[in-house]
Amino acid sequence: QKEVEQNSGPLSVPEGAIASLNCTYSDRGSQSFFWYRQYSGKSPELIMFIYSNGDKEDGRFTAQLNKASQYVSLLIRDSQPSDSATYLCAVDSGYSTLTFGKGTMLLVSP
Amino acid sequence: EADIYQTPRYLVIGTGKKITLECSQTMGHDKMYWYQQDPGMELHLIHYSYGVNSTEKGDLSSESTVSRIRTEHFPLTLESARPSHTSQYLCASNGGSKNEKLFFGSGTQLSVL
Repeated sequence: QKEVEQNSGPLSVPEGAIASLNCTYSDRGSQSFFWYRQYSGKSPELIMFIYSNGDKEDGRFTAQLNKASQYVSLLIRDSQPSDSATYLCAVDSGYSTLTFGKGTMLLVSP
Repeated sequence: EADIYQTPRYLVIGTGKKITLECSQTMGHDKMYWYQQDPGMELHLIHYSYGVNSTEKGDLSSESTVSRIRTEHFPLTLESARPSHTSQYLCASNGGSKNEKLFFGSGTQLSVL
C-alpha cells in the first residue's frame, strides 16, 4: 500500500512569516510530486509540482524534493491570511493516478 | 479556470435508492477520475478512466460503478445507496502525459439517510 504522510496540524504562523509544510512518501519509485491547496468546502487546486531533486520556486511558493530521504516540502514565504487552507501532498502511484496525504491545515493569523 | 462540472452539488437521499452523480468536462481530456473524501481525511481514488470505454477500479473498494461512453462524460452510479456511502465525491480530469494540472470539479456532497 503506497502511503503519503503529512502532519495534520494545524500549523499556525503569523502574517508575513514563512510556513513550512512537510510530506513523506513510501514508494521509492515515485517520480512526480504535487502540492494542492484546498479551502474549506472547496475542491483541491494545484499550486506546485516537482519532478527533480532540489528546489522549485514559483512566486511565494517553493517546493523542495529529496528522493533519497523520500521527502517533499512546501515553503510559503510572506504568508497571508488568504493562504489559510489545507495543503495536500500528492505522489504519483503509477497508471496516471495520484495518492494523496491527509493534508496539513495552515492557519495564518493577521 | 477548469471546465469540469459536477451535479448535483448536494444530494440527500434515502437508503436503497439508486443515484447517479454526474461529471462532465469540456477540455477534451482523456483521463478522468473519481475520488472520495471524508472530512479531515485524504482523497481516495475509487475509479478512473483512460478514455472512452476504459474504466478501472481505484485503491478504495467501492460499491459504485462508472461508465465512459463519451470523452466528456464520466458518471458514477450507486445502485442501492446506504448510510456508509455518505461522503464527498470529487471528479477530476487530466489531459497531459504526466499528472500535473489535475482539474477537480466542485464535488457532490452525498448524504444517505
